[in-house]
Amino acid sequence: QVHLVQSGAEVKKPGSSVRVSCKASGGTFRSYAVSWVRQAPGQGLEWMGGIIPLFGPANYAQKLQDRVTISADLSTNTSYMDLHSLTPQDTAVYYCAQKGTWGQGTLVIVSS
Amino acid sequence: DIVMTQSPDSLAVSLGERATINCKSSQNLLYSSNNKNYLAWYQQKPGQSPKLLINWASARESGVPDRFSGSGSGTDFTLTISSLQAEDVAVYYCHQYYSLPETFGRGTKVEIK
Repeated sequence: QVHLVQSGAEVKKPGSSVRVSCKASGGTFRSYAVSWVRQAPGQGLEWMGGIIPLFGPANYAQKLQDRVTISADLSTNTSYMDLHSLTPQDTAVYYCAQKGTWGQGTLVIVSS
Repeated sequence: DIVMTQSPDSLAVSLGERATINCKSSQNLLYSSNNKNYLAWYQQKPGQSPKLLINWASARESGVPDRFSGSGSGTDFTLTISSLQAEDVAVYYCHQYYSLPETFGRGTKVEIK
């Protein structure tokens, strides 16, 4: 069973970018889709996009596709989510998920 | 985009009683070539990541108590907790992975009456 470990919390200024990593172990990372989902405080789950590491390229939610980049490094079994031009509305917990297993979540706070 | 409509938004159930959550999709989630419904149910407790309970509309994940069951096909789905336990207090989400973008219901908060 895959185990996903994400990078730590981030505090960012509006207009900046953030990178969140998701390292997989114990499973077949390269062959299954890695999804990125975010959850604003007190809100529901929002799919941001996903990638099958072996094949790429990523697919994105239309509302984010101009600002988000999802990638995967097969050599380290790690997926990355880059979000650009941050606004306070991007404050959320960001999750990666693969085959029903979710990472622990990464809190990103955007504040001036 | 496929819209997932969950109901109710919240419900309070006595310990040992049945809890039923409904999820309706705006499009069919049954893929005819393999006869599978691309619908999952997740449980999220406060401060935790979502946990997959049910896949393919009715396939319980390993380790999930058998009081949790999923049913339905096409556009109408149900998650049932047959005998609510204290540890089942959580928010439950339905999730379609039939087509991109993947979408979630808004969640149903389950509490103890």
